Amino acid sequence: GAVVSQHPSRVICKSGTSVKIECRSLDFQATTMFWYRQFPKQSLMLMATSNEGSKATYEQGVEKDKFLINHASLTLSTLTVTSAHPEDSSFYICSAGPTSGGDLARYEQYFGPGTRLTVT
Amino acid sequence: QKEVEQNSGPLSVPEGAIASLNCTYSDRGSQSFFWYRQYSGKSPELIMFIYSNGDKEDGRFTAQLNKASQYVSLLIRDSQPSDSATYLCAVITNTNAGKSTFGDGTTLTVKP
Repeated sequence: GAVVSQHPSRVICKSGTSVKIECRSLDFQATTMFWYRQFPKQSLMLMATSNEGSKATYEQGVEKDKFLINHASLTLSTLTVTSAHPEDSSFYICSAGPTSGGDLARYEQYFGPGTRLTVT
Repeated sequence: QKEVEQNSGPLSVPEGAIASLNCTYSDRGSQSFFWYRQYSGKSPELIMFIYSNGDKEDGRFTAQLNKASQYVSLLIRDSQPSDSATYLCAVITNTNAGKSTFGDGTTLTVKP
């Protein structure tokens, strides 16, 4: 299967600071990547769709000015949590997949290992 | 009604038994169906995907899709304690630009 990496795997930051999380597709190009957040014992919550070369599409209720997404190349998307607060502490996971024949509805997604953010 | 619903669980089976995980979806336009396994504290791992009606087998895993009844299932044969995890069903429709809609997951425990 395809490989997606994330960095860092774990980060602790102080309230009010910003944190950048990187998501890379290692052996394929990804025009689209997805960012999720998961709180303990809860399901995945899609935050936004990252589109290479264009603006990200945010899900309802997700603040685009707080969660900045940049998809500058076909293998890298970044999520920056700005002015982090303790309630932003969560497990952030990205996913991407090699598109099959350009049909976005027929490709499997592979998840990165996740980034555990703790805001103190 | 949720777009993707799974057995509420938790599900417990003895080692060596068959574990059956079920998932129903509401959008008839759904085209692609995925099963992910998530161990506690880890990110999801893709274990099966299926696009066409019928069965798809991969080792001990079999995915079954019935579009007319709008359900997809995952069978795990000869269950092992290492299969203990939360299993997530995900669906992609032809209108949501490749976004997956996930069920809440079913937690499986395989007892030695």
